[in-house]
Amino acid sequence: ILNVEQSPQSLHVQEGDSTNFTCSFPSSNFYALHWYRWETAKSPEALFVMTLNGDEKKKGRISATLNTKEGYSYLYIKGSQPEDSATYLCAFGGGGSQGNLIFGKGTKLSVKP
Amino acid sequence: DGGITQSPKYLFRKEGQNVTLSCEQNLNHDAMYWYRQDPGQGLRLIYYSQIVNDFQKGDIAEGYSVSREKKESFPLTVTSAQKNPTAFYLCASSIPQVRGNQPQHFGDGTRLSIL
Repeated sequence: ILNVEQSPQSLHVQEGDSTNFTCSFPSSNFYALHWYRWETAKSPEALFVMTLNGDEKKKGRISATLNTKEGYSYLYIKGSQPEDSATYLCAFGGGGSQGNLIFGKGTKLSVKP
Repeated sequence: DGGITQSPKYLFRKEGQNVTLSCEQNLNHDAMYWYRQDPGQGLRLIYYSQIVNDFQKGDIAEGYSVSREKKESFPLTVTSAQKNPTAFYLCASSIPQVRGNQPQHFGDGTRLSIL
């Protein structure tokens, strides 16, 4: 059974702090790693899709890195703001039928003003 | 605005009753998906469809059925055979996937509860 682990489960930071979370996934049969942001009462929104070992993606203050050989991805948020408060999901694409993603349980971030 | 519309937002089901959750998209996406979320768990795939008139079972298809008669629509029926249907259901769509390399676009979800 393929497993995607995210840590920590939840995180509370002050406005202005920088933070990072981890997504661990199987290192074999890798095709893609997705990050989504899911704000309360809204729909999940795609942040990044990474497919190559060593990929680094950036969107404003948020960036992500990918290591497919060891099976992990980091998501970084620089200078957290209250509007960054959300659950961040990662999803692993690989090994299954076309288009199937295996989702982690998410990291819930709360940023206090 | 392009997007995915799920309805209703909240749904209640009586024991032994089938209910259908609606999912409509105007993004012109070929692929559509249904996920289920339970407390403390990641999203789990129920069914997916890569093209009209074709769909495949996901990891937890038992007790569910779908149809894909139109590109825009992918309704999910929760049948009486699904013994634990209380959950949050998310619909998603994407352009055709090659091993999961395309981002998925999600609706706002439907929360189903048992009366």
